[in-house]
Amino acid sequence: GIQVEQSPPDLILQEGANSTLRCNFSDSVNNLQWFHQNPWGQLINLFYIPSGTKQNGRLSATTVATERYSLLYISSSQTTDSGVYFCAVGSQDSGTYKYIFGTGTRLKVLA
Amino acid sequence: KAGVTQTPRYLIKTRGQQVTLSCSPISGHRSVSWYQQTPGQGLQFLFEYFSETQRNKGNFPGRFSGRQFSNSRSEMNVSTLELGDSALYLCASSLASGSSSYNEQFFGPGTRLTVL
Repeated sequence: GIQVEQSPPDLILQEGANSTLRCNFSDSVNNLQWFHQNPWGQLINLFYIPSGTKQNGRLSATTVATERYSLLYISSSQTTDSGVYFCAVGSQDSGTYKYIFGTGTRLKVLA
Repeated sequence: KAGVTQTPRYLIKTRGQQVTLSCSPISGHRSVSWYQQTPGQGLQFLFEYFSETQRNKGNFPGRFSGRQFSNSRSEMNVSTLELGDSALYLCASSLASGSSSYNEQFFGPGTRLTVL
């Protein structure tokens, strides 16, 4: 089945720094989402981005489906950005449509 | 619009018992998917329901089952609980159409199940 890898696994930043999170996937996908999981476990939607580029405030994302990767950019990071960031891809696998999650990037922003 | 809701939020059970979790999707959403999150295995897809029918299924044993009602609310049942079933169970709803599952998913806050 499709493999989804995220890098880096852990990231520590000073407040105000910029960062780039990467999501690689091993096969073609039908959709892709980025999420932020808060300390209470809630998955917060950041982007639904099967292809192209989107921006929302200090966050932006780019998916290059033909090259099987997506990037999440965080600019001017704040302590509230801390948490785990997941990408998830939707793909057909043996006749079943599945949403496959990456292992996440754990981000800690220091004041 | 109200988001996805899940009840209960926390649950403690003992081995061998069974448990039922509930999920109410966003109004108008007809697809509900369930996921299990554990520290060791990460986030894994359990199954998806659409129009009261299980449309997609992950690789979990038959002890994990679900159903969907005519109002799109869904329940997940785990029978004969094992210690390894301790996890955060998340449900997601989407505006999936009858022919496609390829829509943005919105997650509920989760039910944290502890099996003793």
